[in-house]
Amino acid sequence: DTGVSQDPRHKITKRGQNVTFRCDPISEHNRLYWYRQTLGQGPEFLTYFQNEAQLEKSRLLSDRFSAERPKGSFSTLEIQRTEQGDSAMYLCASSSQRYIVNTGELFFGEGSRLTVL
Amino acid sequence: QQQVKQSPQSLIVQKGGIPIINCAYENTAFDYFPWYQQFPGKGPALLIAIRPDVSEKKEGRFTISFNKSAKQFSLHIMDSQPGDSATYFCAASTGETSGSRLTFGEGTQLTVNP
Repeated sequence: DTGVSQDPRHKITKRGQNVTFRCDPISEHNRLYWYRQTLGQGPEFLTYFQNEAQLEKSRLLSDRFSAERPKGSFSTLEIQRTEQGDSAMYLCASSSQRYIVNTGELFFGEGSRLTVL
Repeated sequence: QQQVKQSPQSLIVQKGGIPIINCAYENTAFDYFPWYQQFPGKGPALLIAIRPDVSEKKEGRFTISFNKSAKQFSLHIMDSQPGDSATYFCAASTGETSGSRLTFGEGTQLTVNP
């Protein structure tokens, strides 16, 4: 499968613990996006990278959240001191200049579901 | 404020019916309007998209109608099938000026009964 891969698919943690999610984009894609989706809602933008540069962060991304894409390939999203309100599906998407110009398409992974007890 | 409002929240039709999902936006800078389809346990996948230079786009059984003056767009599914049962999200972006960041609507859960 050459789609966007996310790991882990499910994470249950206790309040106050740190969690990290990993996203492996489609190999030739230089753009990578993180979204958060809560039950019954549409995905909300968190941040995006072009290659290794983080170009935009949403105000939703509090200082407990940090994202990296160190070599312009895979990305990690870390949440420190988790709170119950962080429970959500964290979606990663990737794309490339060719797709953005022609179709605007983002390719989403299946998400990492976080449950904070 | 960048917002996309979607209705209805849920929709039930019989097989062969034509469900219609509506979206309205506020930001006149939006220049790209996709619809994404999401099945349970999966990420959203692009279904069809339109840019504001046309009023309608059709791909197979799916049609987007776009009304720029009203700042509204809608998705029509012709001859709906049980396999179309999914959650549908409209979205909008300002294209390259925002890195193609998408603003999504709240979603419509469609059920097509056999």
